[in-house]
Amino acid sequence: AQSVTQLDSHVSVSEGTPVLLRCNYSSSYSPSLFWYVQHPNKGLQLLLKYTSAATLVKGINGFEAEFKKSETSFHLTKPSAHMSDAAEYFCVVTSPGRRALTFGSGTRLQVQP
Amino acid sequence: DAGVIQSPRHEVTEMGQEVTLRCKPISGHNSLFWYRQTMMRGLELLIYFNNNVPIDDSGMPEDRFSAKMPNASFSTLKIQPSEPRDSAVYFCASNTRDHNEQFFGPGTRLTVL
Repeated sequence: AQSVTQLDSHVSVSEGTPVLLRCNYSSSYSPSLFWYVQHPNKGLQLLLKYTSAATLVKGINGFEAEFKKSETSFHLTKPSAHMSDAAEYFCVVTSPGRRALTFGSGTRLQVQP
Repeated sequence: DAGVIQSPRHEVTEMGQEVTLRCKPISGHNSLFWYRQTMMRGLELLIYFNNNVPIDDSGMPEDRFSAKMPNASFSTLKIQPSEPRDSAVYFCASNTRDHNEQFFGPGTRLTVL
């Protein structure tokens, strides 16, 4: 079985300050983990992925995430928020041999000027 | 590449009508996924295909929903008869067996009155 818990439904930051979006996962096997972003009325875009290589994963638009097996976490960070980062972010897990993705409930990021 | 293409982008229909959503996956991708996104339930996998064959349809809500993939470049999701609770955004995604990240289309926003 696999599941994902996004610990915050809403996060609000000021432009230029760091972003932290939290995600914990549960998986019976070595997981693959992803962060997707969804801008209003748009589809989902892959930000970054972890697939058992380096534990610190760099993605697009300055985002990165660190896989911590001991904490079963895969938090998303960015050093400095930009107004264009305002969107909904989904943490996603899958397992070897499993084709389907399991999505978290999403975290809506607001960026204040 | 044009990415995953979905049509229509928006559909408004009346309860009891048949609705057909269409998807063209990325060329060369041999897996196709249909998801539904609602405020209440988030993103749910409805069904997925490998090499045009339905593999897991356990997420299909009920017999009113059916999906087909007659060839590698086209899939449909049909709802007959439609009900107001079917109102949602329906996403199609595709990938290859070598890569477990999925590429999403822009979605179809369905409103059933």
